[in-house]
Amino acid sequence: AQSVTQLGSHVSVSEGALVLLRCNYSSSVPPYLFWYVQYPNQGLQLLLKYTTGATLVKGINGFEAEFKKSETSFHLTKPSAHMSDAAEYFCAVSSNSGYALNFGKGTSLLVTP
Amino acid sequence: GAGVSQSPRYKVTKRGQDVTLRCDPISSHATLYWYQQALGQGPEFLTYFNYEAQPDKSGLPSDRFSAERPEGSISTLTIQRTEQRDSAMYRCASSLGGNNEQFFGPGTRLTVL
Repeated sequence: AQSVTQLGSHVSVSEGALVLLRCNYSSSVPPYLFWYVQYPNQGLQLLLKYTTGATLVKGINGFEAEFKKSETSFHLTKPSAHMSDAAEYFCAVSSNSGYALNFGKGTSLLVTP
Repeated sequence: GAGVSQSPRYKVTKRGQDVTLRCDPISSHATLYWYQQALGQGPEFLTYFNYEAQPDKSGLPSDRFSAERPEGSISTLTIQRTEQRDSAMYRCASSLGGNNEQFFGPGTRLTVL
């Protein structure tokens, strides 16, 4: 079964510093991978997704992620953190059926002044 | 509608009562999903619909949980004889189809006393 593991339930960075949120996946088929962000009292919002093709995926709000098959990773990065980036981030992989998403446990990002 | 809406936003019930949660998806979306998100965890897949068909119920935790989408638009999730372990955020999402971006609603926070 397809699954993801997010390393670090809490990550703290200073404003302006690099953001790196880690996600490793397990999949028996070529995976479709997603990063979602959840702001307080809001629904999950798609940041970016990888399906096929270019392994470096650019998303909204300056985030990007690189699919590395050899490392089974799909880490999320942003060069310079902003206070508004503080939120919960979820990595997800599409199931074999292509419908259900299997989510990681999430990483809470704290941005300090 | 413009986005996915869910009602109620908050529901408090007593153990043993039945509850029904409602999801109104984006009007052009064929596929509707239900997820359960426990505190501090990522969403876990419950079931999905393609129009009114329900191809996958594998995530429903017990036969106390059921979902309907009789006219292929609005869906309801019913939990019978609620238990304290059912306390969670219940999230609905919709998409154009499989392997497409899922748009999430704000969720219903269920508390079972």
